[in-house]
Amino acid sequence: KAGVTQTPRYLIKTRGQQVTLSCSPISGHRSVSWYQQTPGQGLQFLFEYFSETQRNKGNFPGRFSGRQFSNSRSEMNVSTLELGDSALYLCASSLEGNGETQYFGPGTRLLVL
Amino acid sequence: AQSVTQLDSHVSVSEGTPVLLRCNYSSSYSPSLFWYVQHPNKGLQLLLKYTSAATLVKGINGFEAEFKKSETSFHLTKPSAHMSDAAEYFCVVSEYNQGGKLIFGQGTELSVKP
Repeated sequence: KAGVTQTPRYLIKTRGQQVTLSCSPISGHRSVSWYQQTPGQGLQFLFEYFSETQRNKGNFPGRFSGRQFSNSRSEMNVSTLELGDSALYLCASSLEGNGETQYFGPGTRLLVL
Repeated sequence: AQSVTQLDSHVSVSEGTPVLLRCNYSSSYSPSLFWYVQHPNKGLQLLLKYTSAATLVKGINGFEAEFKKSETSFHLTKPSAHMSDAAEYFCVVSEYNQGGKLIFGQGTELSVKP
């Protein structure tokens, strides 16, 4: 089976812009989670989608949003970008979440100038 | 509330010597515990997972971890370090009623000297 894929792999944006990141889970996986990784804060949970519904959400501002499509592919959007949004954004998929093993994609590295 | 504490931010060992990466967790329920590894500029790879079937869990590349409920610990070990083990290691906890939410420790950077 193909692994989790994320596009694009690298992005450069300027403050105030918005960005959309995409994640394709492993075939058959219905749970998709997103994480932000920064040197200062480490890996932090953004949100999780299961069957097109947001099931859990981390402690991030409303500028961070996401959605999941019927084929389980997921997108996350960050509006009004700030310098502090520069990070590696990782997507992970699992069959149904709930303590199962999550498989991670290679990440999208976002640089905000 | 769940939390994970990795007791060392950086560990340095010589090639061929044992590796010990320490992790303590806090969880309200019976957690699932994981160790992931991240090589530079790469995503996260699962090393091993504990789900209450056995307290000693064997993973890939010779790594293993022991779940000790009384000490709320889940330390990662390897008998003999290899240069290719140099990476960042994350101890992770997940609770059943939290959907797909994982809580990560701050990470331990492992250096392996020749």
